[in-house]
Amino acid sequence: EAQVTQNPRYLITVTGKKLTVTCSQNMNHEYMSWYRQDPGLGLRQIYYSMNVEVTDKGDVPEGYKVSRKEKRNFPLILESPSPNQTSLYFCASSRDTAFYANTGELFFGEGSRLTVL
Amino acid sequence: QKEVEQNSGPLSVPEGAIASLNCTYSDRGSQSFFWYRQYSGKSPELIMSIYSNGDKEDGRFTAQLNKASQYVSLLIRDSQPSDSATYLCAVNMGDMRFGAGTRLTVKP
Repeated sequence: EAQVTQNPRYLITVTGKKLTVTCSQNMNHEYMSWYRQDPGLGLRQIYYSMNVEVTDKGDVPEGYKVSRKEKRNFPLILESPSPNQTSLYFCASSRDTAFYANTGELFFGEGSRLTVL
Repeated sequence: QKEVEQNSGPLSVPEGAIASLNCTYSDRGSQSFFWYRQYSGKSPELIMSIYSNGDKEDGRFTAQLNKASQYVSLLIRDSQPSDSATYLCAVNMGDMRFGAGTRLTVKP
């Protein structure tokens, strides 16, 4: 089954404790992206990747890191989480790309709800 | 500033009625437009894409695009309670930009 898998789905942590949210897709998509979703603000892009070893900042990259060492995996790293990073996070992938971004359908993971105390 | 704006709602319609969802965007050069549906507690899923001015129909859903007015809309005919969800407008502005979403409730 074609899917984007995120882990963990739910996490409660404390300020400053490093954490990683993993994302894996089995569709051989080149484009992958991370979004956060907050009430009233919609989906905001954190980072995206056009291909292996190619990543770029989205709208809200502060406090986050990513890496793309393999095509299928795109982990999101919070080096020192803070309460304002409490949010619902979505990883997404897409088959279609132009030279600067995806151009087609985004396939989303099930989401990871993160609470930072 | 790259922005996508949606009528914030919430929108409530009776079963069988037409639901109309609207979206405007700031980047006049945008070429790709999408509507995603998101059920409560679930991830967004694509329901419509539109690239040319005019209407595009898929079953009970019709997407409308007017690039001159920088306006995209989604019409849902014969609305069903199962259509109750948040609808997200997305515009490719070099990166994919999402509106805040409109929550639709279809009452039996």
